[in-house]
Amino acid sequence: DAMVIQNPRYQVTQFGKPVTLSCSQTLNHNVMYWYQQKSSQAPKLLFHYYDKDFNNEADTPDNFQSRRPNTSFCFLDIRSPGLGDAAMYLCATSETGALYGYTFGSGTRLTVV
Amino acid sequence: SQQGEEDPQALSIQEGENATMNCSYKTSINNLQWYRQNSGRGLVHLILIRSNEREKHSGRLRVTLDTSKKSSSLLITASRAADTASYFCATEAGRRALTFGSGTRLQVQP
Repeated sequence: DAMVIQNPRYQVTQFGKPVTLSCSQTLNHNVMYWYQQKSSQAPKLLFHYYDKDFNNEADTPDNFQSRRPNTSFCFLDIRSPGLGDAAMYLCATSETGALYGYTFGSGTRLTVV
Repeated sequence: SQQGEEDPQALSIQEGENATMNCSYKTSINNLQWYRQNSGRGLVHLILIRSNEREKHSGRLRVTLDTSKKSSSLLITASRAADTASYFCATEAGRRALTFGSGTRLQVQP
């Protein structure tokens, strides 16, 4: 089945130690998104790619970066994780102009110790 | 920034009852979407309604949209215990990515 896959499901990292979360898709969608969701809150957009065009939200901390080396893969890098970065990170895809919503991965739960 | 507010924040009903969740938003939109999220999981797309539509159905789901009031509602009929989840509305406006509301936590008691 076509899908969005996030690895790992759970990630524990040390305070200040760089961590990378990955997302892959088999849908061949041109847009990929990273959302951050803290407990009992709405998902908050961090950034997204229209093809290779990177779009950063104004309030996304500089500590967060992203890479999209090809259509299928997208990475979220957190350079120096703080305790406040503990959250669920959700990757999603969509196709421009399509009217069927986003497809989300299962998420990566990040714990910072 | 958060576009939508949802009401109620939490809802507890008995199996077989209907559940209604409401969403309000602030700006003009292209479409409004509803998603479901089981605890600790990703979001699943339920239904999309375009700004020129007023009502849409999908199985036990009914969505309405009132662009003059900038509001939408999601009705789940004949609820089941398996419907227990958080439900989020999300709006798409211009070329901006989806912006999510605060969500409604639905508990369906068997």
